[in-house]
Amino acid sequence: EPEVTQTPSHQVTQMGQEVILRCVPISNHLYFYWYRQILGQKVEFLVSFYNNEISEKSEIFDDQFSVERPDGSNFTLKIRSTKLEDSAMYFCASSEPFRDEQYFGPGTRLTVT
Amino acid sequence: AQSVTQLDSHVSVSEGTPVLLRCNYSSSYSPSLFWYVQHPNKGLQLLLKYTSAATLVKGINGFEAEFKKSETSFHLTKPSAHMSDAAEYFCVVSDVRTYKYIFGTGTRLKVLA
Repeated sequence: EPEVTQTPSHQVTQMGQEVILRCVPISNHLYFYWYRQILGQKVEFLVSFYNNEISEKSEIFDDQFSVERPDGSNFTLKIRSTKLEDSAMYFCASSEPFRDEQYFGPGTRLTVT
Repeated sequence: AQSVTQLDSHVSVSEGTPVLLRCNYSSSYSPSLFWYVQHPNKGLQLLLKYTSAATLVKGINGFEAEFKKSETSFHLTKPSAHMSDAAEYFCVVSDVRTYKYIFGTGTRLKVLA
């Protein structure tokens, strides 16, 4: 069964450093999403992406965040200058066109020290 | 705006007894509602979804949920809890326009032997 994959599973970085979180969505899906879950809190929407552009972004998704689909398979989330409060589990999801069922990856745990 | 409220942050049941996890929703439109489960250190797995076809929805692992418009509820149930059901459960509504997910705060289910 096709699945969404994410790498790395755990990333530790120092405050101020740039990180790139990678996702490989399901191959025929065209909508892509990033969510985050700070420890002990609920899952929050960050950004959605379709047709090589951002469809919607939340207030959390400020100028230090960016997303990219550099090739036909990867979908990345970049945080330019990490802060302590960026420590969270980041989930990638994808869905078929005009379908509301999303498939989630296993997540990347980002720890900023 | 759409939202979901999970009424219990923690639920404890004995193995073999019924499970009830409560969720109320708010939506101006006919909502698409989902239940996801998250086992420790794992990603989000879809349990079931409601998309207006039938009010009683059956999911995986013996879970089901009933959509009640009059009560704006979408409670998750299982007749007999198993130890492996211990996890965090999220009620989710999909934004009708953008398809982004709006998560509830989660219910941690504990199953006692």
